[in-house]
Amino acid sequence: GAGVSQSPSNKVTEKGKDVELRCDPISGHTALYWYRQSLGQGLEFLIYFQGNSAPDKSGLPSDRFSAERTGGSVSTLTIQRTQQEDSAVYLCASSLGVPAGGGSIQYFGAGTRLSVL
Amino acid sequence: LAKTTQPISMDSYEGQEVNITCSHNNIATNDYITWYQQFPSQGPRFIIQGYKTKVTNEVASLFIPADRKSSTLSLPRVSLSDTAVYYCLVVNDYKLSFGAGTTVTVRA
Repeated sequence: GAGVSQSPSNKVTEKGKDVELRCDPISGHTALYWYRQSLGQGLEFLIYFQGNSAPDKSGLPSDRFSAERTGGSVSTLTIQRTQQEDSAVYLCASSLGVPAGGGSIQYFGAGTRLSVL
Repeated sequence: LAKTTQPISMDSYEGQEVNITCSHNNIATNDYITWYQQFPSQGPRFIIQGYKTKVTNEVASLFIPADRKSSTLSLPRVSLSDTAVYYCLVVNDYKLSFGAGTTVTVRA
């Protein structure tokens, strides 16, 4: 596609429910990233995929969070047993190739705003 | 990641040049200086990236002095649509980290 696409754009759920957030990266981008952006917290790295592998899951805040990527394209971030502190905007980004040398240029989707009641 | 310091907010008027200076005193040899722009309810958008001296693209210019301990993003002739939050990052890998950024407000 023309840009990174995320769905849903908004998700309201009840505490304790599971949610799935979807990311469709730019066609041809092999690297994919998930971030969380909270008011007053800035941008928080969650996980990085290269192809279908996740060499860096260090940012996932707890074992309630998981992510997968299939076919080297679409990725799903799953949050189990949601808590109120999970409320945030979840952003997905993709980049062309493997980040090497200097910083990678990442292209972001519009995000999914998750509200846990 | 090297910490950055930038002004919390700046006001400007249409047609003016806006310069945002970012301090990154402990920047490492492998770090690149990167700026992103973010509008409300949208994801961050890459603006420009540089390592040293000056970089210019169709959107902005980035000035980096020899010691690389600071950088200045220059937005020429801003319009109302340039009202956004601008983030300065120093990065050498894929883990981007944004602070509070600089909220630029352009008035008519």
